[in-house]
Amino acid sequence: KQEVTQIPAALSVPEGENLVLNCSFTDSAIYNLQWFRQDPGKGLTSLLLIQSSQREQTSGRLNASLDKSSGRSTLYIAASQPGDSATYLCAGNTDKLIFGTGTRLQVFP
Amino acid sequence: DGGITQSPKYLFRKEGQNVTLSCEQNLNHDAMYWYRQDPGQGLRLIYYSQIVNDFQKGDIAEGYSVSREKKESFPLTVTSAQKNPTAFYLCASSMALGTEAFFGQGTRLTVV
Repeated sequence: KQEVTQIPAALSVPEGENLVLNCSFTDSAIYNLQWFRQDPGKGLTSLLLIQSSQREQTSGRLNASLDKSSGRSTLYIAASQPGDSATYLCAGNTDKLIFGTGTRLQVFP
Repeated sequence: DGGITQSPKYLFRKEGQNVTLSCEQNLNHDAMYWYRQDPGQGLRLIYYSQIVNDFQKGDIAEGYSVSREKKESFPLTVTSAQKNPTAFYLCASSMALGTEAFFGQGTRLTVV
């Protein structure tokens, strides 16, 4: 059974720092891995999708990598801003998404 | 405007009552999903549907029921058999199972 773990559970940093959020999964037979952002009381916003055949994907200040053999993905956020404050969730996708418990990020001015 | 619409945003239920949460999508997606989110926990899969008139139980289906009579609609009924229904419910859709998923804004259900 797929299990997804995210480290750290919470992170508080000053504005401008570069950040790395970690995601590990137990079943490497995933089709893809998806990163989401969730603001308090809101739904999930898709940030990046990495196909199982890919190594990384980039969107603006976000870069996500995938290493299927080790069961790991990282989300890199460059030059963090207060507006990046949210919970970040990763999910391994087979026929359905299996989620980690998220990393709660706070970026202070 | 394409997307996934969940309604209502907030829902209050008395103990012993059934309630139905609505999820509609106009993305022409075949697959749809229902997740439950509790504080401090990840999202857990309740039911999912690959195509119209077909659906499968997820990890926590007990006390819930769904239907998929139309491609664009996947309503979730929380029955009185669900012992702890207070939670945040999220609906999602994707082109097919295993492809990129998109989520609605959620329904917060509270039992009073």
